[in-house]
Amino acid sequence: KQEVTQIPAALSVPEGENLVLNCSFTDSAIYNLQWFRQDPGKGLTSLLLIQSSQREQTSGRLNASLDKSSGRSTLYIAASQPGDSATYLCAGNTGFQKLVFGTGTRLLVSP
Amino acid sequence: GAGVSQSPSNKVTEKGKDVELRCDPISGHTALYWYRQSLGQGLEFLIYFQGNSAPDKSGLPSDRFSAERTGGSVSTLTIQRTQQEDSAVYLCASSLGAGGGYEQYFGPGTRLTVT
Repeated sequence: KQEVTQIPAALSVPEGENLVLNCSFTDSAIYNLQWFRQDPGKGLTSLLLIQSSQREQTSGRLNASLDKSSGRSTLYIAASQPGDSATYLCAGNTGFQKLVFGTGTRLLVSP
Repeated sequence: GAGVSQSPSNKVTEKGKDVELRCDPISGHTALYWYRQSLGQGLEFLIYFQGNSAPDKSGLPSDRFSAERTGGSVSTLTIQRTQQEDSAVYLCASSLGAGGGYEQYFGPGTRLTVT
């Protein structure tokens, strides 16, 4: 059974810092991994999708990596901004269609 | 283009009543998913549709929960005889196809409160 863990649970940084969010999963038979952000009271916004054959994906200031052998993914946010404040969730897809979600990292970027 | 939409956005109901939650997926997306987000359990999968069929219902927590999809589009999640532990945000997602390679896009959710 796939289990997904995210560390840290919460993170507070000043504006402009680069930061890394961590996601680990127990089953390396993963088809893809998705990173989402969730603003309070809102749904999920997809940020990046990494296929199992890829090692990383980039979108603007975001870069996500995937290492299946170690069961880890990281989301790197460059030059953080207050607008980046949200909860970040990673989710693994083991090919049975459903996503298995981590517990999330709550990020606060202070001006 | 239009994203996934859900209605209602908020629903307050009394314990024991039935509720229906609606999801409109992105046009052309053949796969549709329901998830539930609650404080104690995080985000958990409920059911998946491919077309109008539900190959995986493994996440439905009890037989009070059911879902259907018609015309390969709109889906309805029904909860009968609601209980307080059903209070949660119910999220719907859709993807272009089934299988592990497709990105899932989420709607804004329906917040259900059972009093």
